[in-house]
Amino acid sequence: GAGVSQTPSNKVTEKGKYVELRCDPISGHTALYWYRQSLGQGPEFLIYFQGTGAADDSGLPNDRFFAVRPEGSVSTLKIQRTERGDSAVYLCASSPKGQGNTGELFFGEGSRLTVL
Amino acid sequence: GEDVEQSLFLSVREGDSSVINCTYTDSSSTYLYWYKQEPGAGLQLLTYIFSNMDMKQDQRLTVLLNKKDKHLSLRIADTQTGDSAIYFCAEISDTGRRALTFGSGTRLQVQP
Repeated sequence: GAGVSQTPSNKVTEKGKYVELRCDPISGHTALYWYRQSLGQGPEFLIYFQGTGAADDSGLPNDRFFAVRPEGSVSTLKIQRTERGDSAVYLCASSPKGQGNTGELFFGEGSRLTVL
Repeated sequence: GEDVEQSLFLSVREGDSSVINCTYTDSSSTYLYWYKQEPGAGLQLLTYIFSNMDMKQDQRLTVLLNKKDKHLSLRIADTQTGDSAIYFCAEISDTGRRALTFGSGTRLQVQP
Protein backbone atom coordinates (compact mmCIF):
# COMPACT_ATOMS: atom_id res chain seq x y z
CA GLY A 1 0.00 0.00 0.00
CA ALA A 2 0.95 3.61 -0.35
CA GLY A 3 0.56 4.64 3.27
CA VAL A 4 1.54 3.45 6.74
CA SER A 5 -0.45 0.38 7.64
CA GLN A 6 -1.24 -0.64 11.21
CA THR A 7 -2.83 -3.85 12.44
CA PRO A 8 -5.04 -4.61 14.18
CA SER A 9 -7.15 -1.48 13.93
CA ASN A 10 -8.92 -2.48 17.13
CA LYS A 11 -7.81 -4.78 19.91
CA VAL A 12 -9.75 -5.61 23.06
CA THR A 13 -7.90 -7.61 25.68
CA GLU A 14 -8.10 -8.47 29.33
CA LYS A 15 -5.90 -7.06 32.04
CA GLY A 16 -2.69 -9.05 32.36
CA LYS A 17 -2.62 -10.31 28.77
CA TYR A 18 0.14 -9.83 26.19
CA VAL A 19 -0.48 -7.72 23.10
CA GLU A 20 1.40 -7.13 19.84
CA LEU A 21 0.69 -4.22 17.52
CA ARG A 22 2.16 -4.16 14.04
CA CYS A 23 3.26 -1.30 11.83
CA ASP A 24 4.15 -1.52 8.15
CA PRO A 25 5.79 1.78 7.13
CA ILE A 26 5.95 3.40 3.74
CA SER A 27 8.44 1.53 1.59
CA GLY A 28 11.91 3.04 1.75
CA HIS A 29 11.29 5.09 4.89
CA THR A 30 14.21 4.57 7.22
CA ALA A 31 12.77 6.23 10.31
CA LEU A 32 9.84 4.75 12.22
CA TYR A 33 8.11 6.16 15.26
CA TRP A 34 5.59 4.88 17.78
CA TYR A 35 3.32 7.29 19.60
CA ARG A 36 0.46 6.75 22.04
CA GLN A 37 -2.63 8.95 22.03
CA SER A 38 -5.00 8.91 24.96
CA LEU A 39 -8.49 10.38 24.71
CA GLY A 40 -8.41 14.15 24.44
CA GLN A 41 -4.62 14.29 24.32
CA GLY A 42 -1.99 14.80 21.70
CA PRO A 43 0.28 11.97 20.57
CA GLU A 44 2.90 11.07 23.16
CA PHE A 45 6.27 9.82 21.93
CA LEU A 46 7.22 6.24 22.78
CA ILE A 47 10.15 5.12 20.62
CA TYR A 48 11.99 5.99 17.42
CA PHE A 49 13.86 3.62 15.09
CA GLN A 50 16.49 4.56 12.55
CA GLY A 51 16.83 1.44 10.45
CA THR A 52 16.85 -1.63 12.69
CA GLY A 53 18.05 0.05 15.85
CA ALA A 54 16.09 1.98 18.45
CA ALA A 55 17.64 5.44 18.27
CA ASP A 56 15.56 6.75 21.17
CA ASP A 57 13.35 4.65 23.46
CA SER A 58 13.09 7.23 26.22
CA GLY A 59 9.32 7.53 25.82
CA LEU A 60 8.53 3.92 26.71
CA PRO A 61 6.65 4.20 30.01
CA ASN A 62 8.09 1.08 31.70
CA ASP A 63 9.68 -2.28 30.98
CA ARG A 64 6.35 -3.84 30.01
CA PHE A 65 6.67 -2.02 26.69
CA PHE A 66 9.10 -3.17 24.03
CA ALA A 67 9.40 -2.63 20.28
CA VAL A 68 11.41 -4.26 17.54
CA ARG A 69 12.18 -3.62 13.90
CA PRO A 70 14.39 -6.59 12.96
CA GLU A 71 14.74 -5.97 9.23
CA GLY A 72 14.44 -2.21 9.19
CA SER A 73 10.92 -2.22 7.80
CA VAL A 74 7.97 -3.66 9.75
CA SER A 75 7.90 -2.91 13.46
CA THR A 76 6.07 -4.59 16.31
CA LEU A 77 5.17 -2.90 19.58
CA LYS A 78 4.83 -5.45 22.37
CA ILE A 79 3.04 -4.85 25.64
CA GLN A 80 3.30 -7.40 28.44
CA ARG A 81 0.93 -7.77 31.40
CA THR A 82 -1.43 -5.13 30.03
CA GLU A 83 -3.08 -2.71 32.44
CA ARG A 84 -6.27 -0.67 32.04
CA GLY A 85 -4.14 2.46 31.82
CA ASP A 86 -2.56 1.12 28.64
CA SER A 87 -5.85 1.71 26.81
CA ALA A 88 -5.18 4.24 24.05
CA VAL A 89 -4.67 4.58 20.32
CA TYR A 90 -1.17 3.52 19.35
CA LEU A 91 0.05 5.47 16.35
CA CYS A 92 2.88 4.54 14.05
CA ALA A 93 4.59 7.00 11.73
CA SER A 94 7.41 6.77 9.25
CA SER A 95 9.71 9.29 7.66
CA PRO A 96 12.03 9.09 4.67
CA LYS A 97 14.92 10.46 6.68
CA GLY A 98 16.10 10.27 10.24
CA GLN A 99 17.92 12.73 12.41
CA GLY A 100 18.07 16.26 11.14
CA ASN A 101 15.14 15.84 8.78
CA THR A 102 12.34 18.37 8.46
CA GLY A 103 10.32 16.15 10.74
CA GLU A 104 7.50 15.39 8.36
CA LEU A 105 5.95 12.20 9.61
CA PHE A 106 3.45 10.06 7.75
CA PHE A 107 1.01 8.54 10.22
CA GLY A 108 -1.03 5.38 10.09
CA GLU A 109 -4.61 5.32 11.32
CA GLY A 110 -3.61 3.75 14.59
CA SER A 111 -4.41 0.65 16.60
CA ARG A 112 -7.02 1.23 19.28
CA LEU A 113 -6.19 -0.87 22.34
CA THR A 114 -8.82 -1.42 25.03
CA VAL A 115 -7.80 -3.25 28.19
CA LEU A 116 -10.77 -4.48 30.20
CA GLY B 1 11.61 18.90 28.90
CA GLU B 2 9.75 20.26 25.92
CA ASP B 3 6.18 21.41 26.39
CA VAL B 4 3.62 22.50 23.80
CA GLU B 5 0.36 24.15 24.86
CA GLN B 6 -2.83 24.82 22.91
CA SER B 7 -6.33 25.98 23.73
CA LEU B 8 -8.84 23.14 23.64
CA PHE B 9 -11.66 24.41 21.49
CA LEU B 10 -12.51 27.00 18.83
CA SER B 11 -15.85 27.59 17.15
CA VAL B 12 -16.25 29.76 14.05
CA ARG B 13 -18.86 30.36 11.37
CA GLU B 14 -18.35 29.11 7.85
CA GLY B 15 -16.56 31.74 5.76
CA ASP B 16 -14.88 33.40 8.73
CA SER B 17 -11.16 33.15 9.49
CA SER B 18 -9.96 30.78 12.21
CA VAL B 19 -6.87 31.41 14.29
CA ILE B 20 -5.44 28.57 16.34
CA ASN B 21 -2.68 29.41 18.79
CA CYS B 22 0.16 27.42 20.29
CA THR B 23 2.98 28.14 22.71
CA TYR B 24 6.10 26.06 23.23
CA THR B 25 8.97 26.08 25.67
CA ASP B 26 11.94 24.60 23.78
CA SER B 27 14.13 27.48 22.67
CA SER B 28 16.10 25.12 20.42
CA SER B 29 13.07 24.15 18.34
CA THR B 30 14.13 23.85 14.74
CA TYR B 31 10.86 23.19 12.97
CA LEU B 32 7.28 23.76 14.05
CA TYR B 33 4.31 21.97 12.54
CA TRP B 34 0.59 21.94 12.24
CA TYR B 35 -1.11 18.57 11.88
CA LYS B 36 -4.82 17.91 11.29
CA GLN B 37 -6.72 14.92 12.64
CA GLU B 38 -10.18 14.07 11.39
CA PRO B 39 -12.38 11.51 13.16
CA GLY B 40 -11.15 7.97 12.56
CA ALA B 41 -8.21 9.12 10.46
CA GLY B 42 -4.48 9.43 10.97
CA LEU B 43 -2.73 12.71 11.52
CA GLN B 44 -2.10 14.66 8.35
CA LEU B 45 0.65 17.25 8.01
CA LEU B 46 -0.82 20.62 7.00
CA THR B 47 2.24 22.81 7.00
CA TYR B 48 5.49 23.47 8.79
CA ILE B 49 7.78 26.43 9.36
CA PHE B 50 11.49 26.61 9.95
CA SER B 51 12.47 28.47 13.09
CA ASN B 52 14.33 31.22 11.24
CA MET B 53 11.14 32.26 9.42
CA ASP B 54 8.38 34.37 10.86
CA MET B 55 5.64 33.69 8.35
CA LYS B 56 4.65 31.08 5.82
CA GLN B 57 1.60 31.17 3.56
CA ASP B 58 0.14 28.20 1.73
CA GLN B 59 -3.20 28.82 -0.01
CA ARG B 60 -5.76 29.38 2.78
CA LEU B 61 -3.24 28.67 5.53
CA THR B 62 -0.96 31.27 7.13
CA VAL B 63 1.52 30.32 9.83
CA LEU B 64 2.98 33.02 12.04
CA LEU B 65 5.95 32.38 14.31
CA ASN B 66 7.07 34.69 17.10
CA LYS B 67 10.30 33.05 18.19
CA LYS B 68 10.97 35.55 20.97
CA ASP B 69 7.65 34.74 22.65
CA LYS B 70 7.70 31.08 21.49
CA HIS B 71 4.26 31.54 19.98
CA LEU B 72 2.96 29.87 16.84
CA SER B 73 -0.39 30.45 15.16
CA LEU B 74 -2.31 28.93 12.28
CA ARG B 75 -4.78 31.09 10.42
CA ILE B 76 -7.30 29.43 8.12
CA ALA B 77 -8.97 31.86 5.75
CA ASP B 78 -12.55 31.31 4.53
CA THR B 79 -13.06 28.40 6.93
CA GLN B 80 -15.23 25.60 5.56
CA THR B 81 -17.20 22.85 7.32
CA GLY B 82 -14.63 20.39 5.99
CA ASP B 83 -12.03 22.14 8.12
CA SER B 84 -13.73 20.84 11.28
CA ALA B 85 -11.11 18.65 12.94
CA ILE B 86 -8.52 18.62 15.71
CA TYR B 87 -5.40 20.64 14.96
CA PHE B 88 -2.12 19.74 16.64
CA CYS B 89 0.88 21.96 17.01
CA ALA B 90 4.22 20.10 17.19
CA GLU B 91 7.91 20.94 17.38
CA ILE B 92 11.24 19.25 16.90
CA SER B 93 14.72 20.41 17.83
CA ASP B 94 18.22 19.45 16.74
CA THR B 95 19.17 18.72 20.33
CA GLY B 96 17.83 16.08 22.62
CA ARG B 97 14.99 13.90 21.43
CA ARG B 98 14.78 13.62 17.64
CA ALA B 99 11.04 13.19 17.54
CA LEU B 100 8.07 15.51 17.38
CA THR B 101 6.56 16.80 20.60
CA PHE B 102 2.84 17.47 20.18
CA GLY B 103 0.40 19.75 21.93
CA SER B 104 -2.90 18.39 23.19
CA GLY B 105 -4.80 19.66 20.16
CA THR B 106 -7.42 22.32 19.41
CA ARG B 107 -10.82 21.11 18.28
CA LEU B 108 -12.12 23.41 15.53
CA GLN B 109 -15.86 23.41 15.02
CA VAL B 110 -17.18 25.20 11.94
CA GLN B 111 -20.81 26.24 12.13
CA PRO B 112 -22.67 26.41 8.80
